[in-house]
Amino acid sequence: DADVTQTPRNRITKTGKRIMLECSQTKGHDRMYWYRQDPGLGLRLIYYSFDVKDINKGEISDGYSVSRQAQAKFSLSLESAIPNQTALYFCATRTGQDDTGELFFGEGSRLTVL
Amino acid sequence: KQEVTQIPAALSVPEGENLVLNCSFTDSAIYNLQWFRQDPGKGLTSLLLIQSSQREQTSGRLNASLDKSSGRSTLYIAASQPGDSATYLCAVYLRAGGTSYGKLTFGQGTILTVHP
Repeated sequence: DADVTQTPRNRITKTGKRIMLECSQTKGHDRMYWYRQDPGLGLRLIYYSFDVKDINKGEISDGYSVSRQAQAKFSLSLESAIPNQTALYFCATRTGQDDTGELFFGEGSRLTVL
Repeated sequence: KQEVTQIPAALSVPEGENLVLNCSFTDSAIYNLQWFRQDPGKGLTSLLLIQSSQREQTSGRLNASLDKSSGRSTLYIAASQPGDSATYLCAVYLRAGGTSYGKLTFGQGTILTVHP
């Protein structure tokens, strides 16, 4: 089983719909992240969390919100999806208690907004 | 602003060749550099992590080096195999002051094809 699991893996939705992408991890890491990947733009950070009570915006947080329900769970929500949020979304965790640890990624959630 | 460049953008080699992938970055104040591989439609798999104080890391047929002063890292793959075919990404983690989160910048990747 994967250490970082994302659901759903694929989702097609319509403009204006609310979407939630879920991430769970079995690695016991405190630090979790949400990225999106777009062709030609690479990976960009949406939100990150250092523990259940510590959630921070990344470089492209507008239009997104997150919830850290437990150490192992970090969800990304699109309150009202728009077509330019069509992308491949990745959840990641990092080892350790500082920024020197290794990053581990989930398999990704492909979202298409029509 | 940290910029990360990977050269070449694509590489096709016959099985068995040794090859080098390059990653360059503009700001040397980094925490660490990490190499990943990404298979089509899949997530990123961590290959090697090099801390800023280290010069190289090895795992099996992979060896990654880091030269902070020149802003370069190389990923060396020995005796390449068709199963090595994937996109290889380097990611540079830039230091930030105090308790602020630093910035992780990814390169655009090198698409590697190893043919039998």
